Amino acid sequence: KNEVEQSPQNLTAQEGEFITINCSYSVGISALHWLQQHPGGGIVSLFMLSSGKKKHGRLIATINIQEKHSSLHITASHPRDSAVYICAVSSLNTGNQFYFGTGTSLTVIP
Amino acid sequence: DAGITQSPRHKVTETGTPVTLRCHQTENHRYMYWYRQDPGHGLRLIHYSYGVKDTDKGEVSDGYSVSRSKTEDFLLTLESATSSQTSVYFCAISASGSFYEQYFGPGTRLTVT
Repeated sequence: KNEVEQSPQNLTAQEGEFITINCSYSVGISALHWLQQHPGGGIVSLFMLSSGKKKHGRLIATINIQEKHSSLHITASHPRDSAVYICAVSSLNTGNQFYFGTGTSLTVIP
Repeated sequence: DAGITQSPRHKVTETGTPVTLRCHQTENHRYMYWYRQDPGHGLRLIHYSYGVKDTDKGEVSDGYSVSRSKTEDFLLTLESATSSQTSVYFCAISASGSFYEQYFGPGTRLTVT
């Protein structure tokens, strides 16, 4: 049983396209996190949110607590956005543990 | 960038040998975590610590032990490495558990032959 499900698993886009990655979760959460992992690289936190919407540059993250759903949007995508995007939730039920989705692999073609 | 280092960054070892991975932080964060990352799986929690000498198991703790004798260091030990423990291991830190962001170390690639 996966507490966090992401879609799609893989995504290829042309440079400049608007991209959406979806995340659904099944547990009560204290916060939802979006992470980025470049090939062979470390993991970087992009957003932490518990309600509404956050924006950082070309990246926008939204969350709907009632629907238990979050989306990560990338506007005007660029080849440097190519990475794996991981959704994670920190759960109210298990204190200080985090649950992770399996990631969405994004490739942006010039 | 959060000050987190992992050592070694790469290791190849033989089945049956003990292995210790080190995570070191300079942020004075209370919580530290060890995860493994494998293809087809999300990051999976091995063990975590919520203070010096305070640790708890995660979902994939079998075959692993941890120790935290200082705030800045969290050690992961494979008592007798097996091929199924070939993985990339990430350490993470958090100021106060689930209500705060996690910051990840660079990872350790471990191969057990």
